[in-house]
Amino acid sequence: SYELTQPPSVSVSPGQTARITCSGDTLPKKYAYWYQQKSGQAPVLVIYEDTKRPSGIPEKFSGSSSGTMATLTISGAQVEDEADYYCYSTDSSGNPSFGGGTKLTVL
Amino acid sequence: EVQLVQSGADVKKPGESLKISCKGSGYSFTTYWIGWVRQMPGKGLEWMGIIYPGDSDTRYSPSFQGQVTISADKSITTAYLQWSSLKASDTAMYYCARSPSPSRHFDYWGQGTLVTVSS
Repeated sequence: SYELTQPPSVSVSPGQTARITCSGDTLPKKYAYWYQQKSGQAPVLVIYEDTKRPSGIPEKFSGSSSGTMATLTISGAQVEDEADYYCYSTDSSGNPSFGGGTKLTVL
Repeated sequence: EVQLVQSGADVKKPGESLKISCKGSGYSFTTYWIGWVRQMPGKGLEWMGIIYPGDSDTRYSPSFQGQVTISADKSITTAYLQWSSLKASDTAMYYCARSPSPSRHFDYWGQGTLVTVSS
């Protein structure tokens, strides 16, 4: 299956900016999406089509994409933002895949 | 309000069959795709497959083709994921989720169904 590569973990202090990357060969041509999954909960979409934020998602969450890398940025990260974050995209044939996930720690 | 409500947790023995459900409400059930996502204990999300309840067009990930069956009954706005012979390795949380198309994102998710397979 199509491979999307994320760092296993990212750690920041409260109030700092957290950046989580996702690399994939088709990202120059395919949108990236980002999901937040807090412990024991279902995933929640936080960014779609590289940069768009769904209704109800705080402005602290933003997305960008350049070349083969997409980035989720969480500005002023707080303890409540601790979660696993997954990128999602498709291969050249439209087959979907999730990245391996990144555990964000804020301490 | 869009809602996807999944059936409750289940415990089965290896070799048994199982069908779990996902009931959609608050939107036109036949005009969105419903997908299934597996999450094994302590692991990441895996895309399993997706169905369009309007005409039952179904797509599977190669990793899950032949291992599970996805179906839907539009008359009761419910999608299903079923196994004919469970294995211990099927132990996982299974989520259903709504998508505007097979290659796009999931915008609403169910609460998850925990399936435990143990002798």
